Parts: sequence; C-alpha cells; structure tokens
Amino acid sequence: AQSVTQLDSQVPVFEEAPVELRCNYSSSVSVYLFWYVQYPNQGLQLLLKYLSGSTLVKGINGFEAEFNKSQTSFHLRKPSVHISDTAEYFCAVTVLDTGRRALTFGSGTRLQVQP
Amino acid sequence: DSGVTQTPKHLITATGQRVTLRCSPRSGDLSVYWYQQSLDQGLQFLIQYYNGEERAKGNILERFSAQQFPDLHSELNLSSLELGDSALYFCASSALSDRTDTQYFGPGTRLTVL
Repeated sequence: AQSVTQLDSQVPVFEEAPVELRCNYSSSVSVYLFWYVQYPNQGLQLLLKYLSGSTLVKGINGFEAEFNKSQTSFHLRKPSVHISDTAEYFCAVTVLDTGRRALTFGSGTRLQVQP
Repeated sequence: DSGVTQTPKHLITATGQRVTLRCSPRSGDLSVYWYQQSLDQGLQFLIQYYNGEERAKGNILERFSAQQFPDLHSELNLSSLELGDSALYFCASSALSDRTDTQYFGPGTRLTVL
C-alpha cells in the first residue's frame, strides 16, 4: 500500500516571500502524484500533477513541484506568495493500476500568508 | 466550479438515523469516488464506482453503502449514524482514461450528527 507524509502541518510565511511545502511518499509500485488546494469552506482544486516525463511540473496560480524519485519526494514551491494563497494544501498519490485510481492523501499543510 | 454537484450542502441529524448524500459527476465522466474528511482521520477514500459497477473499496464502514445509477449519478447511504460520522463528505469524478486521469471534486456535504 502507498502512503503520503506531509512534513509540516502549518507553514506561516510573509506575503511575497517564497514557500516550499514538503511531501514524501512511499510505494512499492510506480505512482502518479498530485497537489490539491482547499480554500476555506470549499472543495479540493487540482494545482498540478506528475504522471511521467519532466520532473518539474508547473501548475496553476504560479505553483510548481519537482518529482524526485530517489528521495521519493514531490515538494510544492512558489517563488512569491500572495494573501490569497492562504489555504490547506494536500499532496496525494495514486498507483498505476488501471481502473483503480483512488487517491491516498497526506494530512495536509495549512499555508498562512501574513501581510 | 468543477462541474461536480453534491446535495445537500449541509445535513444535521441525530444518532441512529440514516441519510443519503447525492452526487452528480461532470458531464461525460464515468467514474465516481467518495471521500470522507474528518479532523481525526483526514481525507480518506471510501469507495469508487465506474459506469455503475463498484471498482474499488477503501475504508468504508459496513454501515455505509453506495451505488451509481444508469444516469451516472451516485448516492452514499449512511445508516445507524454515530457522533464520529460527523465529517465533510466529498464526491469526485473522473473520465478514468489511462494517461490524463484527473479527479474533480465537488463542494462536499457537511454532515453533523448530534
């Protein structure tokens, strides 16, 4: 079975500063990797995903993530955050098993952007 | 707006009762997933349906059941409710294609069991 660890439960950061949200995964088979964002009182929105190919993935709202197979990591980064980026961020994995694409989520990281 | 709709938005009920949550997937998506988000368990996968058939099961209690109808909407039935069932229940849908599969989430149903 696969698992996801998000190393930081909360990350406070000042507006316009860079940020990195860390994610490590464990799986005995190849995986797809995702980052989702949840704004207060809303559902989850896909930020970006890694399926294969280039290990640097660009997503919406200026976010990017880098897949590192040797370190089994998929850290999310943004060079300059805005107040509106305040939300909960979830890293997720799914295995490459045709037809079964249930997501396994990490525990989430709450990003708090301060003015 | 993801295109996935869920009703009701909020549900308040008592212990021992039974409720039904409804989900309509995005147009053209054949696969529906149910997830539970609670403070102590986080986001957990419950069950997946594909074109009316159960495809995968996660941490779904025996008191819970689901089905997907011919028009592809899905219902999650929760019975003999307990206080610990209070949570946000999400439905997601996907096309289940091999290469570009993405799950799109609905806004969720917040269930409060008193």
